[in-house]
Amino acid sequence: DIVMTQSPDSLAVSLGERATINCKSSQSVLYSSNNKNYLAWYQQKSGQPPKLIIYWASTRESGVPDRFSGSGSGTDFTLTISSLQAEDVAVYYCHQYYRTPQTFGQGTKVEIK
Amino acid sequence: QVQLQQSGPGLVKPSQTLSLTCAISGDSVSSNSVAWNWIRQSPSRGLEWLGRTYYRSERYNDYAVSVESRISINADTSKNQFSLQLNSVTPEDTAVYYCVRQRYSSSWYGMDVWGQGTTVTVSS
Repeated sequence: DIVMTQSPDSLAVSLGERATINCKSSQSVLYSSNNKNYLAWYQQKSGQPPKLIIYWASTRESGVPDRFSGSGSGTDFTLTISSLQAEDVAVYYCHQYYRTPQTFGQGTKVEIK
Repeated sequence: QVQLQQSGPGLVKPSQTLSLTCAISGDSVSSNSVAWNWIRQSPSRGLEWLGRTYYRSERYNDYAVSVESRISINADTSKNQFSLQLNSVTPEDTAVYYCVRQRYSSSWYGMDVWGQGTTVTVSS
């Protein structure tokens, strides 16, 4: 199985400041035939199912604010919230869908400092 | 707008079968541009993909090895829904279960539509 490891487990950021979450996969999730990384990011607020915010490592899902961005390739990825808003308080997960079983990171909790 | 509505019992006895159904509106269980997944979430195991069903000229199913001997995911085209059956459950199967859509268009996308979740407790 591909193991997804996120860091940090939690972080506290002041309103308007940048939040950065890292995700590392135990093997590459870059699909060479189309040059796409099969890596997604989700936001999960308390009591709700996860919500897709980024797919193909850097493509924002429709309706997601542009303060959310994804980067990286191969095995190392980053989710950045450029200016943290109160409504961004949540747990964030990375997810590889390159190979079954599809696997998720353990989650990173983002709070307001 | 695609919506997934889950139904099924929230309490299952050990050794019995967990059965959940996911009714689809706004899409088709027979579409060849999606896969229909079951994912569960628990404090001990995090988010865990269990399996999926999808149609590409014929029906395919993929299952996680961890539950492969106990799981079945079926599509019901007449009701436009899919279901999860997990046999011989133990307390370790206690979790929130989600049905989830994943799109495909010459390439897989992320999981873009989630059901509301069903909390399933395995206890006598």
